[in-house]
Amino acid sequence: EVQLVDSGGGLVQPGGSLKLSCAASGFTFSDSAMNWVRQAPGKGLEWVGRIRTKTNNYATVYAESVKGRFTISRDDSSNTAYLQMNSLKTEDTAVYYCTTLVVSAPGDYWGQGTLVTVSS
Amino acid sequence: DVVMTQSPLSLFVTLGQPASISCRSSQSLVYSDGKTYLNWFQQRPGQSPRRLIYKVSNRDSGVPDRFSGSGSGTDFTLKINRVEAEDIGVYYCMQGAHWPRTFGQGTKVEIK
Repeated sequence: EVQLVDSGGGLVQPGGSLKLSCAASGFTFSDSAMNWVRQAPGKGLEWVGRIRTKTNNYATVYAESVKGRFTISRDDSSNTAYLQMNSLKTEDTAVYYCTTLVVSAPGDYWGQGTLVTVSS
Repeated sequence: DVVMTQSPLSLFVTLGQPASISCRSSQSLVYSDGKTYLNWFQQRPGQSPRRLIYKVSNRDSGVPDRFSGSGSGTDFTLKINRVEAEDIGVYYCMQGAHWPRTFGQGTKVEIK
């Protein structure tokens, strides 16, 4: 069974940092690009960023709203993707989902999400 | 960025009746490989999004055949043949042809 388990969310003050984790199982993680998508309370979905595979040099791309503040990384040995979030703003408050976000083939997987609240 | 515009944003449907959601993109979603990358997602209340359709009209495994996707270029449609109670939730289109990936605003489907 495929599983993505998101963790690491919590309450953080503006300007603070947080690191989210996404533990994968049930599929070949090392062959899959991984994305993060967020959803502010009561709002729609916003793509945050993506990391490609080792074959593709772990290339990353980010939404303008988080570029320079957020960093996606991965550890294929532990089947885990990460989202390091620095210089957090109140507008970063959202549920963060890790997802394969496949656009071209069968099989697309999402985590259960983890809530990040940025507030003083 | 490619802007994805959905309509309507809210849809009240009678059980057993059809429903249709439109999604328009500000740029063509035909990629350099000639394929069109438009996905549809369903998000039930309190749940993570779930992909229903990829590349305009390909249903994911386990998705009932009452769901169908169509369209081309910049105009796309998700149809639900006969709405069932389990179909309530918010539906999003998303383009996969350009970076950054962008989603429509979402269409909330409720039962009359």
